[in-house]
Amino acid sequence: SAVISQKPSRDICQRGTSLTIQCQVDSQVTMMFWYRQQPGQSLTLIATANQGSEATYESGFVIDKFPISRPNLTFSTLTVSNLSPEDSSIYLCSVGIQGYGYTFGSGTRLTVV
Amino acid sequence: AQSVTQLGSHVSVSEGALVLLRCNYSSSVPPYLFWYVQYPNQGLQLLLKYTSAATLVKGINGFEAEFKKSETSFHLTKPSAHMSDAAEYFCAVSDGGNNNDMRFGAGTRLTVKP
Repeated sequence: SAVISQKPSRDICQRGTSLTIQCQVDSQVTMMFWYRQQPGQSLTLIATANQGSEATYESGFVIDKFPISRPNLTFSTLTVSNLSPEDSSIYLCSVGIQGYGYTFGSGTRLTVV
Repeated sequence: AQSVTQLGSHVSVSEGALVLLRCNYSSSVPPYLFWYVQYPNQGLQLLLKYTSAATLVKGINGFEAEFKKSETSFHLTKPSAHMSDAAEYFCAVSDGGNNNDMRFGAGTRLTVKP
């Protein structure tokens, strides 16, 4: 199955700043997915990132707050902008590989102070 | 759009007892179904998946799940619980194909009593 390297694994950020999370996959994939897991809750899909086009955002998530880049078939970044304490969550990227199913990155634990 | 509902946010069993975690799905097309486990402060680990082959799916750590179309269910079972099974379990659905996003249930926290 695919291996995803997600960075950083955790960070503590000041209010009003931004954090950019990177995901590198060891094989080419068409779609990459970004999820948020708020404390004690399940995973919620933020957006789907397709190489060469704008990401598709789920209801409740907007590009200005969560800009996504997808410059090639093995890499994507998610930025969480204008941070507030409510953004404190775990953020995960995921890919689907034909025949193997879905793989998740190890997650980025964000704490906003 | 597809969705899953996990019945019971908390399940508690005794060590050695049967584990049953319930998941019902909704999908307008044949679904792909997944169970993931998350141990405290760790990432997601795939337990098993159903992708339209055999309806009884065996996974890691002795877990299995049965796809029942008539009941729109994909319940997770394990004959004998171990203390190490204590974790959060998530059921998830995709509408097929690995370019389709996955939707997660709310999760079930499994506690195993000695």
